[in-house]
Amino acid sequence: DVKVTQSSRYLVKRTGEKVFLECVQDMDHENMFWYRQDPGLGLRLIYFSYDVKMKEKGDIPEGYSVSREKKERFSLILESASTNQTSMYLCASSLSPTYEQYFGPGTRLTVT
Amino acid sequence: SQQGEEDPQALSIQEGENATMNCSYKTSINNLQWYRQNSGRGLVHLILIRSNEREKHSGRLRVTLDTSKKSSSLLITASRAADTASYFCATDAHFNKFYFGSGTKLNVKP
Repeated sequence: DVKVTQSSRYLVKRTGEKVFLECVQDMDHENMFWYRQDPGLGLRLIYFSYDVKMKEKGDIPEGYSVSREKKERFSLILESASTNQTSMYLCASSLSPTYEQYFGPGTRLTVT
Repeated sequence: SQQGEEDPQALSIQEGENATMNCSYKTSINNLQWYRQNSGRGLVHLILIRSNEREKHSGRLRVTLDTSKKSSSLLITASRAADTASYFCATDAHFNKFYFGSGTKLNVKP
């Protein structure tokens, strides 16, 4: 079974802090994704990566950056956390961009 | 506005009844997927239907796709309390990008 793990289930950070969210998948998938989920807005794509060191912006990349140094690991970085980045963050991976995506359990981030 | 939109936003039924939820989208697609999310958890893939398919089954799930109307429906037959979850459709409007709707929240009462 594909397993996607995220470093924290719950995280509380202060405004202005640098925040790292880590995601690891164990199925050698080329593609990895970061979404944020807010009530009434569904999932919105922040960034995705289709190979090591490759990344592409999604629909809401502002205020975020990503890093993919190894195939199995995709990190989301909030350079300077703000209260409007309080959200559920979901990581996913897939064999191919248009195939099914496997999701991690999510990280609920609160920025105070 | 979003590519995929589910309807209704919320649905409450009794155990044993069928649940139908719909998804509409705006642009041409290669495939459409349905996912389930239990409260506060990650999404789980249910079924993928390609643009050249009209209907697909998986256990108690039946998905239809009408590309002329740009819509899809997910039917869950003989629902169970364990089916209580949010259901999302996702469409690949652009290469490498999937767009998720805001979901249908299904409550199955025992």
